[in-house]
Amino acid sequence: SQTIHQWPATLVQPVGSPLSLECTVEGTSNPNLYWYRQAAGRGLQLLFYSVGIGQISSEVPQNLSASRPQDRQFILSSKKLLLSDSGFYLCAWRQGRDEQFFGPGTRLTVL
Amino acid sequence: AQSVTQLGSHVSVSEGALVLLRCNYSSSVPPYLFWYVQYPNQGLQLLLKYTSAATLVKGINGFEAEFKKSETSFHLTKPSAHMSDAAEYFCAVSEDNYGQNFVFGPGTRLSVLP
Repeated sequence: SQTIHQWPATLVQPVGSPLSLECTVEGTSNPNLYWYRQAAGRGLQLLFYSVGIGQISSEVPQNLSASRPQDRQFILSSKKLLLSDSGFYLCAWRQGRDEQFFGPGTRLTVL
Repeated sequence: AQSVTQLGSHVSVSEGALVLLRCNYSSSVPPYLFWYVQYPNQGLQLLLKYTSAATLVKGINGFEAEFKKSETSFHLTKPSAHMSDAAEYFCAVSEDNYGQNFVFGPGTRLSVLP
């Protein structure tokens, strides 16, 4: 069966520090991968999606970036965090037209 | 492009009462439709989905939804609310395989009152 992992689960970082969040998927190949952010009390904001290794599409201009170095690995990064980067980050995958499957999320607090 | 609206950002019901969460969509092709639930500090979990088979779809935790093409709706219902149903609910639409063509609604927070 397929599983999706995200780490870390929680993270507290100072403003201006770098960020690296990792997402890995097991039990499937060539999935579409997604990064979402939820600000407090808000809905899902699609940040990036990827349809294959090295293929990244950005939905929102920001100081974040994403990379997909391997088929089932998706990384969200920043060189310098802003206060507004705080939120709950969710990774998801899907294949074909069917549903997305979500990871457990990472709670990021920027101080 | 497809879109999803959810009427009511916050819905409150009494325990044991009917739950009705509304979802309307727009799509240029026959859509796939989904309902997800999110508990605090957790990822989204699929409740149910419509993929062009039966229009009345049953999901987990006693929830069901009916696809009504004429009304472009996919409302979520549960006959009797339980305290554990308190969560955020998201409706979503998918038109095709392409990465970006999976759109979520803004979500509805369900509160269940004792």
